[in-house]
Amino acid sequence: QKEVEQDPGPLSVPEGAIVSLNCTYSNSAFQYFMWYRQYSRKGPELLMYTYSSGNKEDGRFTAQVDKSSKYISLFIRDSQPSDSATYLCAMIGLGTNAGKSTFGDGTTLTVKP
Amino acid sequence: DGGITQSPKYLFRKEGQNVTLSCEQNLNHDAMYWYRQDPGQGLRLIYYSQIVNDFQKGDIAEGYSVSREKKESFPLTVTSAQKNPTAFYLCASSMKTLPNTEAFFGQGTRLTVV
Repeated sequence: QKEVEQDPGPLSVPEGAIVSLNCTYSNSAFQYFMWYRQYSRKGPELLMYTYSSGNKEDGRFTAQVDKSSKYISLFIRDSQPSDSATYLCAMIGLGTNAGKSTFGDGTTLTVKP
Repeated sequence: DGGITQSPKYLFRKEGQNVTLSCEQNLNHDAMYWYRQDPGQGLRLIYYSQIVNDFQKGDIAEGYSVSREKKESFPLTVTSAQKNPTAFYLCASSMKTLPNTEAFFGQGTRLTVV
């Protein structure tokens, strides 16, 4: 069983929709949770990170963590065609560093105009 | 501009040949990493290095080799022993310690075995 399971997708939504991207994990040692966005044929780039249970908001994006349920989500409000990309969740524990993240398999999102 | 540069963007290799992928960073990061990404799959760690002249195997190191002779450079060699080398290869760098959680990625090298 993988340590990080991500909703596989693909996901296709109309412009303006609210998008929910989700990951579950089994390793209680994970303490830092990141979301990366990867455009086609490009390297991933960090979108958001959080380390505590609850919500963290950044513009149209909200990262949610529920450590008791081992569940994280990324919400995108008022989705735009430019949000079309693959979204990867990533997690690390204390004592490790950022590049040794454990990644989900990614969810590919298409936002249709 | 600070960043991480991978070259070449596309690479073709004949079966049985070794090939080396380049990764250079000017972010002054101590730690560097190589990941492999296959279609529909997440990133799998091949090798990583936290300091010059030292590196460790990741989850899928068989058939690969690396060197870290300079802080800014971490080349990856895909050897003929790698059974299925066709993939998208990503290099990344980061600060060594938390709470710096961001890994900076290059734009990737797509390797195809012909």
